Amino acid sequence: NAGVTQTPKFRVLKTGQSMTLLCAQDMNHEYMYWYRQDPGMGLRLIHYSVGEGTTAKGEVPDGYNVSRLKKQNFLLGLESAAPSQTSVYFCASTSRLAGEKETQYFGPGTRLLVL
Amino acid sequence: AQTVTQSQPEMSVQEAETVTLSCTYDTSENNYYLFWYKQPPSRQMILVIRQEAYKQQNATENRFSVNFQKAAKSFSLKISDSQLGDTAMYFCAFMNLTSGTYKYIFGTGTRLKVLA
Repeated sequence: NAGVTQTPKFRVLKTGQSMTLLCAQDMNHEYMYWYRQDPGMGLRLIHYSVGEGTTAKGEVPDGYNVSRLKKQNFLLGLESAAPSQTSVYFCASTSRLAGEKETQYFGPGTRLLVL
Repeated sequence: AQTVTQSQPEMSVQEAETVTLSCTYDTSENNYYLFWYKQPPSRQMILVIRQEAYKQQNATENRFSVNFQKAAKSFSLKISDSQLGDTAMYFCAFMNLTSGTYKYIFGTGTRLKVLA
């Protein structure tokens, strides 16, 4: 199993450009999450999904949109990138099946620089 | 709203020594999990240890153990026999089981450096 993968690993954008970050998991997990990590701020939840076709806002959703058209994929979109969105983005997933110990599995991160 | 506080931005420890990282949290809920995650320079987030709030016994995983004080809302991580590979950022996290969303709330992290 590849676990949780993220594409791309690194990207440079100009202010106003758009892009989509892809998160894929092969563990058949229901729940998926997008976080951003900034120095001194820890990880903050942007959006999350509790199942295919569902999405919900997290702590810092402004400027981002998400879609979960397939169970294994969770896409994070930036419609008009701003320098404040320079960050490292992490995707995570969890199964929440009865009997399984609670753990979020994280992807390797995407480093985004907005100029 | 729940909050997680890590008051030690940076710490260092000599190799083979013991170090304790602090974490406090605020919640009115009774059913939750607490976690410590490690983030080495590779940036990959790795689960170190988890604690279910209903369990009184402190969790242990090899050289890692926690001191869970539910009434005080404290959840510290003890690393025994520190190794150079323990050098990383450590994040404390809280998850409320009763909300049904299984969202994590992370602290701001403690950067640990193990000195040779």
